[in-house]
Amino acid sequence: AQSVTQLDSHVSVSEGTPVLLRCNYSSSYSPSLFWYVQHPNKGLQLLLKYTSAATLVKGINGFEAEFKKSETSFHLTKPSAHMSDAAEYFCVVSDAGTNAGKSTFGDGTTLTVKP
Amino acid sequence: DAGITQSPRHKVTETGTPVTLRCHQTENHRYMYWYRQDPGHGLRLIHYSYGVKDTDKGEVSDGYSVSRSKTEDFLLTLESATSSQTSVYFCAIRPRDSSYNEQFFGPGTRLTVL
Repeated sequence: AQSVTQLDSHVSVSEGTPVLLRCNYSSSYSPSLFWYVQHPNKGLQLLLKYTSAATLVKGINGFEAEFKKSETSFHLTKPSAHMSDAAEYFCVVSDAGTNAGKSTFGDGTTLTVKP
Repeated sequence: DAGITQSPRHKVTETGTPVTLRCHQTENHRYMYWYRQDPGHGLRLIHYSYGVKDTDKGEVSDGYSVSRSKTEDFLLTLESATSSQTSVYFCAIRPRDSSYNEQFFGPGTRLTVL
């Protein structure tokens, strides 16, 4: 079984300050983990993915995430927030052994960036 | 761009009417998925397909059916729409060459059931 918990439903930061969006997961197999971003009234865009090649994963737009197996976490970070980062972010887990590549989404974290 | 289109993009319908949403892809992907998105719930899997005429249920399949008669089209049908099915519906594909189950999404269909 797989599950994912996004620990904050809303995060607010000032422009230029660091961003931290927290995600914990549960997986019966070696998991693949993803972060997606959704801007208002838009579809979902893949930010980055963890595939066991490296524990620190770099994504688009300056975002990174670190896989910590001992903590079952996959937190998303960015050193300096931009106004354009304001969006909803989803953490997603997919077990390697999952039939047909089914994925489980977290409930989402809304990031607000203040000027 | 994974070459995914959804139609219609917006639809308003009345309770009890049938509704069909279409997902079309142009790159011969085997796996296709239908999700619904509701505030506070992320995306929840309705049904998925692993090939022509091969489909299975997701976690919120009640009230929905699907069909896939061609590789490129995956249809989601609400046989008798209810207000609880007001939602945004996303179609997704898993790329043929993916080893890690990442999915790519269409633009979504906003459905309102009055």
